[in-house]
Amino acid sequence: GQQVMQIPQYQHVQEGEDFTTYCNSSTTLSNIQWYKQRPGGHPVFLIQLVKSGEVKKQKRLTFQFGEAKKNSSLHITATQTTDVGTYFCAGGAGNQFYFGTGTSLTVIP
Amino acid sequence: DTGVSQNPRHKITKRGQNVTFRCDPISEHNRLYWYRQTLGQGPEFLTYFQNEAQLEKSRLLSDRFSAERPKGSFSTLEIQRTEQGDSAMYLCASRDSLFPEQYFGPGTRLTVT
Repeated sequence: GQQVMQIPQYQHVQEGEDFTTYCNSSTTLSNIQWYKQRPGGHPVFLIQLVKSGEVKKQKRLTFQFGEAKKNSSLHITATQTTDVGTYFCAGGAGNQFYFGTGTSLTVIP
Repeated sequence: DTGVSQNPRHKITKRGQNVTFRCDPISEHNRLYWYRQTLGQGPEFLTYFQNEAQLEKSRLLSDRFSAERPKGSFSTLEIQRTEQGDSAMYLCASRDSLFPEQYFGPGTRLTVT
């Protein structure tokens, strides 16, 4: 069945360091979404990528969708304490979204 | 507050009991999703509605689970004969079919004792 894996599961960084999380799907995706979930909160939509090889930026965040539409990455430049949370990718296939296992980011001030 | 709301926020029930959760989506959103999330995992898709029609249901979903969206507005998720393995956060999300963003509610945390 459809599986979406994310690595790493946890990441601790010093404030100001960069952070990257990687998402890999077992099958080709229609699109990929990224969400952020703060501790005790619910997932909040960040972005959707649709095209093969697509790259989108939101301030310090850069999102990429792989050429084969099976992998994606989120890169945060110069992390801040406000970046703390778990980042999930969600692969779209048909009417379903398959969420990855998430990467929990801790930023040490 | 015009966001997605869910009730109750917490539910503790004994094994074997039935429970029902309610989700009120953002009013103009025609699509509604139910997910289940356990600690340390991402949300797991359960089912999806477009207006009042249930268009997709996870193959992993037990027959004890049923969902409705009778008038294309609020939705209910019922779990019959609850088991301890049903303990999780149940999340509802809604979206407008023209836009990609899913807006999640705060969730209902179910504990089965």
